[in-house]
Amino acid sequence: EVQLVESGGGLVQPGGSLRLSCAASGFTFSSYSMNWVRQAPGKGLEWVSYISSSSSTIYYADSAKGRFTISRDNAKKSLFLQMNSLRAEDTAVYYCARELPYGGSSWYFDSWGQGTLVTVSS
Amino acid sequence: DIQMTQSPSSVSASVGDRVTITCRASQGISNWLAWYQQKPGKVPKLLIYAASSLQSGVPSRFSGSGSGTDFTLTISSLQPEDFASYYCQQANSFPLTFGGGTKVEIK
Repeated sequence: EVQLVESGGGLVQPGGSLRLSCAASGFTFSSYSMNWVRQAPGKGLEWVSYISSSSSTIYYADSAKGRFTISRDNAKKSLFLQMNSLRAEDTAVYYCARELPYGGSSWYFDSWGQGTLVTVSS
Repeated sequence: DIQMTQSPSSVSASVGDRVTITCRASQGISNWLAWYQQKPGKVPKLLIYAASSLQSGVPSRFSGSGSGTDFTLTISSLQPEDFASYYCQQANSFPLTFGGGTKVEIK
């Protein structure tokens, strides 16, 4: 069974930093691209960042560019999101999401973690 | 960036009703579209990908159609467990974008 477990969320002051982690199990992590998707309280879904299976290709939403860094450790089956210069508008539940294995590689999300809440407030 | 516009933003329906949700892309995305269901306090669930392909384990009352810029999600006979929010997502190009969501409520 595919399992994704996020951790690292919490309360942080504006301008602060957090590092989110996502531990994967139940599938060959190194074969899948991964993503971070967030959801502000009471709001819709927002894609944040993508990393290919080998880390060779990375994309960010404009809201994350220059402040967030996605990375992965295939040996440890883990995905990370380093978030710096945090703002109140970054307050959200952050989900890690696996790509659907479709057509070799797809940008659909077939498995999601339970999410970790990041609250940016003074 | 490709903007995804869903309508309606909410719909009230009864068990057994046929419900249709529309998603429009700001530019052509071929069939690179997914639909997700999210129940309150729960994780999003992939229902449909490639505009019309049913994800494994999803009931056949869910169907998707469309290509280019206009897409629909149809629930043929609404069940109690279908009351939730639904989101479309384009997978044509980065940045990946979601529609604003449609909340299906009990009438």
